[in-house]
Amino acid sequence: QQQVKQSPQSLIVQKGGISIINCAYENTAFDYFPWYQQFPGKGPALLIAIRPDVSEKKEGRFTISFNKSAKQFSLHIMDSQPGDSATYFCAATLLANNLFFGTGTRLTVIP
Amino acid sequence: DAGVIQSPRHEVTEMGQEVTLRCKPISGHNSLFWYRQTMMRGLELLIYFNNNVPIDDSGMPEDRFSAKMPNASFSTLKIQPSEPRDSAVYFCATGGAGETQYFGPGTRLLVL
Repeated sequence: QQQVKQSPQSLIVQKGGISIINCAYENTAFDYFPWYQQFPGKGPALLIAIRPDVSEKKEGRFTISFNKSAKQFSLHIMDSQPGDSATYFCAATLLANNLFFGTGTRLTVIP
Repeated sequence: DAGVIQSPRHEVTEMGQEVTLRCKPISGHNSLFWYRQTMMRGLELLIYFNNNVPIDDSGMPEDRFSAKMPNASFSTLKIQPSEPRDSAVYFCATGGAGETQYFGPGTRLLVL
């Protein structure tokens, strides 16, 4: 059973546009929601993370929006750049134990 | 800091052979995770250790897979015998006091 559901599977955005990736979870006990970025041939790397007591977190061009009642969270990439082209994974964890990853979104930013 | 070190980076082997993947965690990190990544199934947690003790191995596919962490600076994931369906990228990740996991570069395994 997929603990975290992610969409879309792939996304193509023009340079300068906004990229939006959505995730939903079932387990209300999850207490930490990170997003990981993975470039081809590399391991995933933490991009940004949020806890459920906060509705939004922004770091540069990257923003997480969190809706606790709907059990959904999303990643927004403002002013998307070709260098942002990568696969993005949302995840959820409980008490710093294993991460439950979404299935990933392959983002392509067209120059 | 050298980050998480994995070896080998690439492995090609024939069905039935034993495969051993290695991981050196970031110094001071007390949690270690083994993941498998495939196009079909995405990132799957196989097993994780805390302070060298296996905590959850429910993700290990079958008895052909085994993992050890004999000390705080080394872990192995072994597949014996290997099968073509084991072909994937295997990642080792480690974590310290917080929730962030730091991934290694992965081992790309191809079983013919």
